[in-house]
Amino acid sequence: ELKVEQNPLFLSMQEGKNYTIYCNYSTTSDRLYWYRQDPGKSLESLFVLLSNGAVKQEGRLMASLDTKARLSTLHITAAVHDLSATYFCAVVEGMEYGNKLVFGAGTILRVKS
Amino acid sequence: EPEVTQTPSHQVTQMGQEVILRCVPISNHLYFYWYRQILGQKVEFLVSFYNNEISEKSEIFDDQFSVERPDGSNFTLKIRSTKLEDSAMYFCASSAPDRGFYGYTFGSGTRLTVV
Repeated sequence: ELKVEQNPLFLSMQEGKNYTIYCNYSTTSDRLYWYRQDPGKSLESLFVLLSNGAVKQEGRLMASLDTKARLSTLHITAAVHDLSATYFCAVVEGMEYGNKLVFGAGTILRVKS
Repeated sequence: EPEVTQTPSHQVTQMGQEVILRCVPISNHLYFYWYRQILGQKVEFLVSFYNNEISEKSEIFDDQFSVERPDGSNFTLKIRSTKLEDSAMYFCASSAPDRGFYGYTFGSGTRLTVV
């Protein structure tokens, strides 16, 4: 059974600082997703990582995937208050199309000015 | 950009009542899902649906739950006799792994409150 672990679960950052959120998963998969959720809102897709070594960047966020280590990172550069949200990684179980996503517990990010 | 639409956005129901949550997936998507998120907790898989039948379901998806795609556009989740612990945000999602698109698009959710 696929298990997805995120750490840290809570992250309080100062504006302007850098930090990384880690996502480990327990079984083979080659598709990993990062989502952002604001309080009471839906899941907004940030990144889709489809292969080993994939790296994607959008603004102050950069995500990478190492399928051999079963590890993805979400790196935050020079944090700003608007990045405050909960960030989830989610991994597709198995290799077949349409398989379910298994979510990590989420990382609550608070950026303080 | 295409969206997954869910209705209602918020439903309050009495314990023991039946509720139906509605979703309109993106029109050319092939796979449909229901997830739930109890307040402050992780997003949990309930069920996946493909080719007009359930392809996978979780332990949470017991006999009180059912899904249906009655008319080729709507995708519904029915809870037959609601319990207090069914209070959660329910998200519908759809996916269409085709031509390099591997995304899973989530709807805005239905907040279910059982009193």
